Amino acid sequence: NAGVTQTPKFQVLKTGQSMTLQCAQDMNHEYMSWYRQDPGMGLRLIHYSVGAGITDQGEVPNGYNVSRSTTEDFPLRLLSAAPSQTSVYFCASSRQGETQYFGPGTRLLVL
Amino acid sequence: EDKVVQSPLSLVVHEGDTVTLNCSYEVTNFRSLLWYKQEKKAPTFLFMLTSSGIEKKSGRLSSILDKKELFSILNITATQTGDSAVYLCAVEKINYGQNFVFGPGTRLSVLP
Repeated sequence: NAGVTQTPKFQVLKTGQSMTLQCAQDMNHEYMSWYRQDPGMGLRLIHYSVGAGITDQGEVPNGYNVSRSTTEDFPLRLLSAAPSQTSVYFCASSRQGETQYFGPGTRLLVL
Repeated sequence: EDKVVQSPLSLVVHEGDTVTLNCSYEVTNFRSLLWYKQEKKAPTFLFMLTSSGIEKKSGRLSSILDKKELFSILNITATQTGDSAVYLCAVEKINYGQNFVFGPGTRLSVLP
């Protein structure tokens, strides 16, 4: 099992550009989540999904969109990147009542 | 508003010392509390606690939850330089789906 994979590992964007962060898991987990991690602030939930076709907002959803067309994939879209979105992004997956498994992270720099 | 607070935020000790990391929470619809260790990359799971007063142990690490006082501690005995990391506390909420609220983390540095 590859576990949770994320691409790209690192990305530089200019303000206003759009991009999609990819996340995939091969553990058949129903739950998937996206977090951002900023210095001194821990992990903050952006969006999460409880299954294919079902998504919901987390603590900091503004500026991000998600979709879940399959159990395996949960992409995060930045529609118009802003410097405030410079962060490290983690995708995670889990089964209900169990711990989350995290991907290796994507470091995003918005200039 | 849901809140998870960790203390201290930063800690420097020498090898062989014992450390206690604290996590307190104010979260509606509590399901469980989890501890993670984060080194350079993604957090890795340490413990999941759901019941008060039952200690979980893994080698030199142990943790316990107090659901009445709304806190948990993570103990590390005989620290080693490999224990240097950020330790994250997270509370899982019972709601539609799975929702975790994370604390800011405690950065532990273990000096040789």
